[in-house]
Amino acid sequence: IQLVQSGPEVRKPGASVKISCKVSGYTFTESGISWVRQAPGQGLEWMGWISAYNGNKDFLQKFQGRLTLTTDTVADIAYMELRSLTSDDSAVYYCARRGFHSGGYYPDYWGQGTLVTVS
Amino acid sequence: QSLLTQPPAVSAAPGQRVRISCSGGSSNIGMNYVAWYQQFPGTPPKLIIYHNEQRPSGISDQFSGSRSGSSATLDIAGVQTGDEATYYCGAWDSDLRAWVFGGGTILSVL
Repeated sequence: IQLVQSGPEVRKPGASVKISCKVSGYTFTESGISWVRQAPGQGLEWMGWISAYNGNKDFLQKFQGRLTLTTDTVADIAYMELRSLTSDDSAVYYCARRGFHSGGYYPDYWGQGTLVTVS
Repeated sequence: QSLLTQPPAVSAAPGQRVRISCSGGSSNIGMNYVAWYQQFPGTPPKLIIYHNEQRPSGISDQFSGSRSGSSATLDIAGVQTGDEATYYCGAWDSDLRAWVFGGGTILSVL
């Protein structure tokens, strides 16, 4: 199982960024994709997830209104778009498969991360 | 401020056992399964425990997890310098409808 993310991005404040996450090694529509970010020197912050099966989503409240999660089930790619960027959004953004194990769902396999710099 | 509380750092001598705690609440650890992740600098997190105590294939039995009430613990037996990393707990929060992580615990092997 692999999740390969798009490359680093630099944006100005107020702009948007869209990151892709290409998956392989499993049936894309059987799982969801979570998005997690990590600011420099900080901990992990879950942002939201989307089902690749039916498009169901959950978002962390703080991102409501400026976060869009989509999937392309033909190409097996998930996308995360974040709008109205500020310097606080500078972080490494990860996609992770929302895997099902023993009755629960977990971010299990992770992409390599995409550095977003807002400056 | 994380909903799940972990000690910022723990340390141990090589070969010792280390325990990392994760304290949550009734809407997360108290009613949903806990996972633990290991992260080395510059790399993505790696799932090492799920379902409170289960290890994914390929994860050493050096790592074990447990849950009691609204708290969880990660035990690392016989720590070595190669285990120096940051460890995060995580769980689904049913009230927030969001996955929540602890703030992370840096393990130092002295």
